[in-house]
Amino acid sequence: QTVVTQEPSFSVSPGGTVTLTCGLSSGSVSTNYYPSWYQQTPGQPPRTLIYNTNTRSSGVPDRFSGSILGNKAALTITGAQADDESDYYCMVYLGSGIWVFGGGTKLTVL
Amino acid sequence: EVQVVESGGGLVQPGGSLRLSCAASGFTFSGYNMKWVRQAPGKGLEWVSYISSSGSTIYYADSVKGRFTISRDNAKNSLYLQMNSLRAEDTAVYYCVRGRGNYYYIDVWGKGTTVTVSS
Repeated sequence: QTVVTQEPSFSVSPGGTVTLTCGLSSGSVSTNYYPSWYQQTPGQPPRTLIYNTNTRSSGVPDRFSGSILGNKAALTITGAQADDESDYYCMVYLGSGIWVFGGGTKLTVL
Repeated sequence: EVQVVESGGGLVQPGGSLRLSCAASGFTFSGYNMKWVRQAPGKGLEWVSYISSSGSTIYYADSVKGRFTISRDNAKNSLYLQMNSLRAEDTAVYYCVRGRGNYYYIDVWGKGTTVTVSS
């Protein structure tokens, strides 16, 4: 069974840049997996940030960007702000009607 | 305003059944595929099930296959999840979400409904 891997936690200073990654237990994440990214704060439903690897969802600030770095999908936050402190989840489409979320990364801004 | 609103959650004993509903508004429901995604307390997100816009194509995660049934009524702009043989590990917030088939992502999330399986 394919597992989608994310860093459990990360920290960034206000104004800093952080890159969160999304990998596969076997193989590489490519654009063919249509990676997407979601932000969730406690008690709230997720919010869609990025889809199709690098397309920002409507209303998402341009300090959020998506890419493929090596064999992983990546979410980069440039100029981190206090309200970026959230859980971030990636999701990939494995094909054959199977979607898998990563375990999520808890981002601390301090 | 585009929105989806879940209902039907509650407390159920192990082995019991529950039916979740999702009411969609603000968009042409029949034109979109839909999914259910769940989140156990303190845990991450888990894709549960998918249904195409017409209802002709359905997929399930292995963890619920054979126990859960997804369906939709396009005339009523509604999505459903019939959950049978419930287990403690099915305890979660269940989100109704709108899928975008061209890039296989989720663009609209409901606020969720809580299902608790406990004796």
